[in-house]
Amino acid sequence: QSALTQPASVSGSPGQSITISCTGTSSDVGGYNFVSWYQQHPGKAPKLMIYDVSNRPSGVSNRFSGSKSANTASLTISGLQAEDEADYYCSSFTSSSTGVFGGGTKVTVL
Amino acid sequence: QVQLVQSGAEVRKPGASVKVSCKASGYTFSDYYIHWVRQAPGQGLEWMGWINPNGGATHYAQKLQGRVAMTRDTSINTAYMEINRLTSDDTALYFCARGKRWLQIPTCDYWGQGALVTVSS
Repeated sequence: QSALTQPASVSGSPGQSITISCTGTSSDVGGYNFVSWYQQHPGKAPKLMIYDVSNRPSGVSNRFSGSKSANTASLTISGLQAEDEADYYCSSFTSSSTGVFGGGTKVTVL
Repeated sequence: QVQLVQSGAEVRKPGASVKVSCKASGYTFSDYYIHWVRQAPGQGLEWMGWINPNGGATHYAQKLQGRVAMTRDTSINTAYMEINRLTSDDTALYFCARGKRWLQIPTCDYWGQGALVTVSS
C-alpha cells in the first residue's frame, strides 16, 4: 500500500487560509468516506482534527475543515494562528482493510 | 477520562525482539479497536496494524506480516505489539491509538504517549 501524497510544506501569514491536499486512489481516499487528518507538534502524539472526511471531534476549532473530491481530500485551516504551526497527516481506510497515511505536510506560519 | 499508557523505551540488538504494551482506561476496552502506528526519527507516520480486543482478531500491514504480532489481555485492559527479527529500520517511536467503536476503520481519537524502540549493535 503506497502512502498518500501530500505537499511537503505549506505556509501562510496569520489570519490567512491554507489548504493541504491528500491524494490517493479509488482503493483508499476515493473509495471510502473514512479520511482523517491529524496534527502533530514536535515530540507529541498526533491529535485527531478531522474524521470521516469533514467531521470535527469535540474541542477542535471550527477553523479546521475537511472535504473530498474523487481521490483527493483536503484540509483547510482558516484564520491561521501561530499555534497551528505543526505537521499534518492525512489517513484513509483502504480496500485491504488496512490504514494508510500521507507523507505529512509541515505548516509554517510566517 | 480515556487514557492509553505505554511501556517505556527499549534498546535491542539487531535480530532480537521487542514487546510494547498499551494499557487502556476510562472506557470499555473491548468495544474499540486498537491501532499501532510507528514513526521513525524525522519521518512520517506509518500504520502497522489493528487488533480487535473483542475476540483478538488482527490485521497487519503487508510489509510487517510475519514479523509482527498484536495481542491483548482483556483482564487488565492491555494491548501488546511485538516485533521480531529487528533491524535498524525498526528504530522508531511506537504509538498505540484507540480506533472506532466496533469497526476496523483507522480513525484514532486517543493516542498513547509513544514508546521509543532503538535497534543498535
